[in-house]
Amino acid sequence: RKEVEQDPGPFNVPEGATVAFNCTYSNSASQSFFWYRQDCRKEPKLLMSVYSSGNEDGRFTAQLNRASQYISLLIRDSKLSDSATYLCVVNKGGSNYQLIWGAGTKLIIKP
Amino acid sequence: GAGVSQTPSNKVTEKGKYVELRCDPISGHTALYWYRQSLGQGPEFLIYFQGTGAADDSGLPNDRFFAVRPEGSVSTLKIQRTERGDSAVYLCASGRQGSSYNEQFFGPGTRLTVL
Repeated sequence: RKEVEQDPGPFNVPEGATVAFNCTYSNSASQSFFWYRQDCRKEPKLLMSVYSSGNEDGRFTAQLNRASQYISLLIRDSKLSDSATYLCVVNKGGSNYQLIWGAGTKLIIKP
Repeated sequence: GAGVSQTPSNKVTEKGKYVELRCDPISGHTALYWYRQSLGQGPEFLIYFQGTGAADDSGLPNDRFFAVRPEGSVSTLKIQRTERGDSAVYLCASGRQGSSYNEQFFGPGTRLTVL
């Protein structure tokens, strides 16, 4: 079993719709969680950190469920520019610096 | 300010050759990470530097891979006797300190192709 698992997609979504995807992680000792965004042939960039209480940044909402060991990302009122691969990232259990990356979920927003 | 830079952007080499990949982190960032990303996969951790020392090289796949950061800034990833399976994008990231709570800022990567 992979340490961080994501549905690879692609998710094909019409512009303006709401889309959500989840990520599961295997190590209950993980303490820090992130969503990164990666455009085609570009480097990953931090989208948002994920806090225990859940957090929102504009159209983006992230949730953490420690009991079930999953993280979610919700995008409201999707834009064409949201098309990208979204990478779920957690710290390696027991490490305060090493990150484990999911393979990413590809999102395609259609006009 | 300037972001993380990596050179070369692309490198094509033949099986068995030696290559060096360079990373210039954001000024003042003490933490530096090397990752390898294959198509359709997330970045795979290779090595982490805190300052000049390699704090964790557990991700290096074998002894053909080596990395240095002699002055605590620029880092070089060195691959000896390259194999076709080494083909990937090699990403470098830096951060203010070596904490998983801190954002990692990535360079554009070096696309290595081993023929």
